Amino acid sequence: QVQLVESGGGVVQPGRSLRLSCAASGFTFSSYAMYWVRQAPGKGLEWVAVISYGGSNEYYADSVKGRFTISRDNSKNTLYLQMNSLRAEDTAVYYCARAWEQQLVRVPMQHWGQGALVTVSS
Amino acid sequence: DIVMTQSPNSLAVSLGERATINCQSSQSVLYSSNNKNYLAWYQQKPGQPPKLLIYWASTRESGVPDRFSGSGSGTDFTLTISSLQAEDVAVYYCQQYYNTPSTFGPGTKVDIK
Repeated sequence: QVQLVESGGGVVQPGRSLRLSCAASGFTFSSYAMYWVRQAPGKGLEWVAVISYGGSNEYYADSVKGRFTISRDNSKNTLYLQMNSLRAEDTAVYYCARAWEQQLVRVPMQHWGQGALVTVSS
Repeated sequence: DIVMTQSPNSLAVSLGERATINCQSSQSVLYSSNNKNYLAWYQQKPGQPPKLLIYWASTRESGVPDRFSGSGSGTDFTLTISSLQAEDVAVYYCQQYYNTPSTFGPGTKVDIK
């Protein structure tokens, strides 16, 4: 079955960096676009970024553009989110998610991980 | 960016009664070349990740009970729970995937009256 397991969350000071990972299993990772979605404590869902199945195309929310980088290693079945210049407002649970259909980006998110909590605080 | 709004913010419905949630997009999410609405609904229970319920505005995801249905086109959409069950208590989000960045509605909390 499809499994997505996030790691790398924790407490980080404002202005510092953190990298999240999402280990995927149970499907052909290299065939699917992958997403990061975040949820601040007690708040709604915010789409963060998407990367195409081959890794050649990336798109970002305006709130993270220029600070966050999504990437993937298809040989390791792993998705990443490099987060630089972190701010207090980046505090959230970060979910990785898989696209509903192979090779497409503009599709819903069918499978989700359990999330990793990132807390930005001094 | 496409702005998604939902109404109401919350609702309480008696067990077995109908719950209706509305979602509106700031521009059409109907793609004319394939006549599909790029609109999904998710359910999120406390402490859990979201779960995909409906996509293409009205297609139920595999395994989703048929008491959940989606309707609408263009800019106005509805999620209906025909007979509310205790396990349906959750927050429901609509999402447009017509454009990147994709955007979610603010969510509607559904409780038992």
